[in-house]
Amino acid sequence: GAVVSQHPSWVICKSGTSVKIECRSLDFQATTMFWYRQFPKQSLMLMATSNEGSKATYEQGVEKDKFLINHASLTLSTLTVTSAHPEDSSFYICSARTGSSGANVLTFGAGSRLTVL
Amino acid sequence: DAKTTQPPSMDCAEGRAANLPCNHSTISGNEYVYWYRQIHSQGPQYIIHGLKNNETNEMASLIITEDRKSSTLILPHATLRDTAVYYCIKLGGWGKLQFGAGTQVVVTP
Repeated sequence: GAVVSQHPSWVICKSGTSVKIECRSLDFQATTMFWYRQFPKQSLMLMATSNEGSKATYEQGVEKDKFLINHASLTLSTLTVTSAHPEDSSFYICSARTGSSGANVLTFGAGSRLTVL
Repeated sequence: DAKTTQPPSMDCAEGRAANLPCNHSTISGNEYVYWYRQIHSQGPQYIIHGLKNNETNEMASLIITEDRKSSTLILPHATLRDTAVYYCIKLGGWGKLQFGAGTQVVVTP
């Protein structure tokens, strides 16, 4: 089946630095990818919709200048957390639409755990 | 646009069927019911979806009431690896998948 790969699976960085997370669709093309964030003991929160070749669409309350999303190819979307701070520490998960026959089914990556010191 | 309602937690015995209820009384005609699950510290996994007919795949069965206001996800023979948070989501067209609190299912030996 379809696989979405995320890298890195975990990362620790110092406060004030930027961190890039990659999300790749393996063996299929993804014109649309989604980025979610999950804090401990909470549910997933949709951050933004990443569209290949165009600007990402951010959910209300998500700072687009802080969470830079680039979807330059049909198999790769990246999320860059700029000037990271401890409150940005979270589990970041990407997904891509993989349903057939028009089904709106998402395949998720394994997630990237960010810890900002 | 009210989301779905699920019990916060459920326990299930290994080897028995697990029946997970979901209320979606405000579902509209073009909205499907999707089920996903998230095992601890992993990305969510798609399970099944349906519109109005009952559906079955290798993972589970989905039973939707005739009025479509509620549904039940059935894991026929629960295993310890089925311990996860299960999310019931109603979604129409190419809408964005939004997660609620889900049901924490714990399968015990």
